[in-house]
Amino acid sequence: SSELTQDPAVSVALGQTVKITCQGDSLRSYYASWYQQKPGQAPILVIYGKNNRPSGIPDRFSGSSSGNTASLTITGAQAEDEADYYCNSRDSSGNPGVVFGGGTKLTVL
Amino acid sequence: QLQLQESGPGLVKPSETLSLTCSVSGGSISSSSYYWGWIRQPPGKGLEWIGSIYYSGSTYYNPSLKSRVTIFVDTSKNQFSLKLSSVTAADTAVYYCARHNSGYDRYYYYYMDVWGKGTTVTVSS
Repeated sequence: SSELTQDPAVSVALGQTVKITCQGDSLRSYYASWYQQKPGQAPILVIYGKNNRPSGIPDRFSGSSSGNTASLTITGAQAEDEADYYCNSRDSSGNPGVVFGGGTKLTVL
Repeated sequence: QLQLQESGPGLVKPSETLSLTCSVSGGSISSSSYYWGWIRQPPGKGLEWIGSIYYSGSTYYNPSLKSRVTIFVDTSKNQFSLKLSSVTAADTAVYYCARHNSGYDRYYYYYMDVWGKGTTVTVSS
């Protein structure tokens, strides 16, 4: 199956901009989706498709894609954005499934 | 508002079968627009997709779990279920159910837009 690779940890100063990346061959064929997960909670969808935000997700969250890399950008990070972030996409290896990245722990300093 | 709720035993013995059910409320599982799936998260680790099902019964599974997984749907009860056989301690995890959605905008995209709160399953004797 396809794999999606994320940096294990990223940090950002309060109010600054941070980009979390996700790499994988499947991203040449499919857009990634992004999920935020806080300790003890279920993941929530923050970005899907080209750059779509579900209702209730602040507009400081945005998504982009280039080649085999998808990115989640938080412009003006807030303390409440500290969380784990996961990307996911359709498996492009021939198996009709989905794959998740390993997750990125975001620390807001 | 669509809600998903996982239920099932919190403790399963090694070599036995784990069985969980996801009850869907606020919407119909028979909608032609969605798949429904299971995802798990071992303690301190990342998310792992287990498998998904369409209301018609069509399924697809994670190749690494395929030999042990069965997902089935009961449209009359508006729920779908997971069975994972021959469990070991490595199957200890929080198990989530989620609705799968999709779209197209030059490229296809697939996402899970509604999640249950998750249920913890421990495999231990």
